[in-house]
Amino acid sequence: QVTLRASGPALVKPTQTLTLTCTFSGFSLSATGMSVSWIRQPPGKALEWLARIDWDDDKYYSTSLKTRLTISKDTSKNQVVLTMTNMDPVDTATYYCARIGDDYVTLLYYWGQGALVTVS
Amino acid sequence: SSELTQDPAVSVALGQTVRITCQGDSLRYYFASWYQQKPGQAPVIVIYGKDNRPSGIPDRFSGSGLGDTASLTITGAQAEDEADYFCNSRDTSGNHVVFGGGTKLTVL
Repeated sequence: QVTLRASGPALVKPTQTLTLTCTFSGFSLSATGMSVSWIRQPPGKALEWLARIDWDDDKYYSTSLKTRLTISKDTSKNQVVLTMTNMDPVDTATYYCARIGDDYVTLLYYWGQGALVTVS
Repeated sequence: SSELTQDPAVSVALGQTVRITCQGDSLRYYFASWYQQKPGQAPVIVIYGKDNRPSGIPDRFSGSGLGDTASLTITGAQAEDEADYFCNSRDTSGNHVVFGGGTKLTVL
């Protein structure tokens, strides 16, 4: 059974760096074709894709946020970490992590419960 | 701004059929996925690929696409289908993901 869970601080101050952790089970991120992404959703607004890391350590970032984001993985701990620098109140959102589907095509198939982060 | 365009709100009478659309250039090259999101919950995928439903998703949900437009159809909408629906796809590079702005479905 695939599960993911996003965790991190509930409150951060403006200009601080946010570190979020996605802890997962039921798969290995070292398996060929595997991929985990981060997505966020401001209150009452649309979903926004942030970043993705693949099994071979390839990394992809949102064009608009790439200067502020770093994604990494710790295969031994079954975790993916996202850092976002220079936080601003507009970054207040629920942050989700999601895994690619078993078809290895659908990037955001399995979703975890999100972590609400408030910047204030 | 979203790179996929959805109508902000749609309503349907109980038991009737509703189509929710998603438009964008990336849909000419990649299938859309559709997600249902209820208040306070994470999105749940309901349609992916050409017209695939994950296990547990009722068969009243179906997907289709033509050109730059993808559609989610609910045939015989139920009260529990009232939710926000988001579409997404890979972008034209294939490496990023783009989302629609979401459609709030009201079942009357």
